[in-house]
Amino acid sequence: ELKVEQNPLFLSMQEGKNYTIYCNYSTTSDRLYWYRQDPGKSLESLFVLLSNGAVKQEGRLMASLDTKARLSTLHITAAVHDLSATYFCAVDMAGGSNYKLTFGKGTLLTVNP
Amino acid sequence: EADIYQTPRYLVIGTGKKITLECSQTMGHDKMYWYQQDPGMELHLIHYSYGVNSTEKGDLSSESTVSRIRTEHFPLTLESARPSHTSQYLCASSEYFALREGSPLHFGNGTRLTVT
Repeated sequence: ELKVEQNPLFLSMQEGKNYTIYCNYSTTSDRLYWYRQDPGKSLESLFVLLSNGAVKQEGRLMASLDTKARLSTLHITAAVHDLSATYFCAVDMAGGSNYKLTFGKGTLLTVNP
Repeated sequence: EADIYQTPRYLVIGTGKKITLECSQTMGHDKMYWYQQDPGMELHLIHYSYGVNSTEKGDLSSESTVSRIRTEHFPLTLESARPSHTSQYLCASSEYFALREGSPLHFGNGTRLTVT
């Protein structure tokens, strides 16, 4: 059974600071997704990481994937209030044609002025 | 831009009622999914479909049922709602082959269900 663990689950940070959210998963997979969810809203796709060493950046967010360590990171640079949201990583069940995503518990990020 | 629609957006209903949550997508995607999410919690897959007339149960046991008679439509039905069904239900879709290449799921806005 694929398990996906995120940490921290809660993150309160000040504007202008940097921080990293970690996503570990338990079995082989080479497809990892990051999503953002605002309160009461649906999920918005941020990044799709397809291979070992993949790095993607959008604005103040940068995601990377290390398939050997089964680890993805979401790095926040110089945080701003607008980044406050819950961030989920999700991993594909590898093999066969069973393309189902398993989600982590999410990291609730609060950026304070 | 993804086009996937869920109705109703909010629903408050009494115990024992039958309800159907609607989900439609206009992208011609083969795969569709239903996730259940409690407030501040992770998403759990409850049903999915590879295409017309194909439905499977997900990882989380659910008393709901689904059908896929048309590609664009994937409704979820609760025959007899209970307070334990109170949750947010998110519908999503993806292209079958595109997901293998890394295309993400596209989510609807969700239905927030309260059973009193």
